[in-house]
Amino acid sequence: GESVGLHLPTLSVQEGDNSIINCAYSNSASDYFIWYKQESGKGPQFIIDIRSNMDKRQGQRVTVLLNKTVKHLSLQIAATQPGDSAVYFCAENGGKLQFGAGTQVVVTP
Amino acid sequence: DAGVIQSPRHEVTEMGQEVTLRCKPISGHDYLFWYRQTMMRGLELLIYFNNNVPIDDSGMPEDRFSAKMPNASFSTLKIQPSEPRDSAVYFCASSFTGANVLTFGAGSRLTVL
Repeated sequence: GESVGLHLPTLSVQEGDNSIINCAYSNSASDYFIWYKQESGKGPQFIIDIRSNMDKRQGQRVTVLLNKTVKHLSLQIAATQPGDSAVYFCAENGGKLQFGAGTQVVVTP
Repeated sequence: DAGVIQSPRHEVTEMGQEVTLRCKPISGHDYLFWYRQTMMRGLELLIYFNNNVPIDDSGMPEDRFSAKMPNASFSTLKIQPSEPRDSAVYFCASSFTGANVLTFGAGSRLTVL
């Protein structure tokens, strides 16, 4: 079946720099996308969402971009901080919420 | 609200034993989800309930797994008998109708020896 596709890469970012986390999805019927952040020993926590009728949405220090043409989703974190170190998951909802494998973000001083 | 509450946070048991994981969803939420997380398979949806009724249990791995929701404020996930390959972190999450966002609990880390 179709699924959100993510390896589990590690993104190493220097404190203060911007981070970009990418996600490829394959279900063209998905109409809603969410980014979650999971810190060590905790459950996933909602960061930001976007509907398929939008291509960009901004939150506090985070921006989600959606490119439906190439089925690509990205999360941008501005001025990355040590507290941003976590695993980030994208999730798509095409009837059932499906999670990608996650990206480990490591913030270095 | 204290969020989604799961217990126990950690459980270590021996193969063959029964394991019961518990979840209290956020008050007012009418959807409840059980997920399993492993390094190999990531986050997998096991089962979800709407208004205490199981809607989709296609993710439940086998008959050794069962889930119940006797009322709006309590759900259990039971594994009987447990096996080492069941070792994982089990998450409960809840949401309300019309909202796509799930609120997750802190998880129950299960180790089966």
